[in-house]
Amino acid sequence: AQKVTQAQTEISVVEKEDVTLDCVYETRDTTYYLFWYKQPPSGELVFLIRRNSFDEQNEISGRYSWNFQKSTSSFNFTITASQVVDSAVYFCALSGPNAGKSTFGDGTTLTVKP
Amino acid sequence: DVKVTQSSRYLVKRTGEKVFLECVQDMDHENMFWYRQDPGLGLRLIYFSYDVKMKEKGDIPEGYSVSREKKERFSLILESASTNQTSMYLCASSISTGTLLREPQHFGDGTRLSIL
Repeated sequence: AQKVTQAQTEISVVEKEDVTLDCVYETRDTTYYLFWYKQPPSGELVFLIRRNSFDEQNEISGRYSWNFQKSTSSFNFTITASQVVDSAVYFCALSGPNAGKSTFGDGTTLTVKP
Repeated sequence: DVKVTQSSRYLVKRTGEKVFLECVQDMDHENMFWYRQDPGLGLRLIYFSYDVKMKEKGDIPEGYSVSREKKERFSLILESASTNQTSMYLCASSISTGTLLREPQHFGDGTRLSIL
């Protein structure tokens, strides 16, 4: 069975602070994909990044960076110099073979205050 | 860009009514999904479909059914609405990559359904 845990239910920071959103996953599969999505107040989930289980290279995209560590089954997301527009609910998701679907974490609500 | 359109943004229905939530995608995606989102419970998969007329139960299918008569349209049906089905419903689609979902899902704006 697959499981995704986002232990941080809510995080509140002040603008320009750095913030890390944690994602820990469980799977017995050796081949799988991990995703991060952002859900702003408007409601539509937007895809941010995908990682496959064979690619542990970290990625940076502007103020966003992702740290994937198979040894700890974690795929953490860091926002550097946070902005008010980063306020959203962030979901981590896991897809394994033979499932045809993704398992989502419960989400982390990030509030960035001016 | 992929566009997933849900027919209603807000919907109010009464207990016992049969409710239809419609979802249309414009990118010829094989896979389509229905989720409900509740505070503290994240996204829970109700049903998904990987082809026309095909459907698979998700994690919480009870009280729901689906219909996929055309590739671009995936309907969620509440056979007899109950108050515990008050929720945000999200539709999504993705390219088919077999049983391993390698491609990201594209989501609609959601339908906030209230059952009175």
